[in-house]
Amino acid sequence: NAGVTQTPKFRVLKTGQSMTLLCAQDMNHEYMYWYRQDPGMGLRLIHYSVGEGTTAKGEVPDGYNVSRLKKQNFLLGLESAAPSQTSVYFCASRPPGLNFLGGANTGELFFGEGSRLTVL
Amino acid sequence: GDSVTQMEGPVTLSEEAFLTINCTYTATGYPSLFWYVQYPGEGLQLLLKATKADDKGSNKGFEATYRKETTSFHLEKGSVQVSDSAVYFCALSDQGGGADGLTFGKGTHLIIQP
Repeated sequence: NAGVTQTPKFRVLKTGQSMTLLCAQDMNHEYMYWYRQDPGMGLRLIHYSVGEGTTAKGEVPDGYNVSRLKKQNFLLGLESAAPSQTSVYFCASRPPGLNFLGGANTGELFFGEGSRLTVL
Repeated sequence: GDSVTQMEGPVTLSEEAFLTINCTYTATGYPSLFWYVQYPGEGLQLLLKATKADDKGSNKGFEATYRKETTSFHLEKGSVQVSDSAVYFCALSDQGGGADGLTFGKGTHLIIQP
């Protein structure tokens, strides 16, 4: 009953270092998302994917790259970390807008537990 | 574009008090509306949802009614407990579940004192 799993849970980087956050979901969801959460800012969308091999930019994509090579995995990369990227990162997934009967899904997101990243 | 506005807090209440957290939204069409809860150190969990006007979502003693005429989805609970201390997020999804995810409010930090 894993749902959405993020690794690592915690990471400390120095400015300029690179790293990758991994998100894995076992619910066969088509859509996956990366958000960042900052005090007073709520959740802001970084990138998202509507299927294997596809990605799109969200509200705050600069400084991040993503890949969706397999349906169940969505990777978030930081090529050259900056202190402004210190944040808590959340991955989420959901089924597409329409279900297999042609009816609308509500858009509910299923979240991972978060990855706390500190850039010194 | 779509937006969600909610009181940010912190909101501090005594145990057994009545809770209201206001949420208003701006969106085209008929979005679905959600309340998510984030307990300390954890991810976001769906608390309740409503998909059409006048629907009432409820869970764990919390309720919210989808009011199209006032574009609101206020969260209420009749008697809060210390265990309800958390951050609460109001959110909406485009009609039919747009691909670019949910639009979130900034979150309301709720503190319940014994």
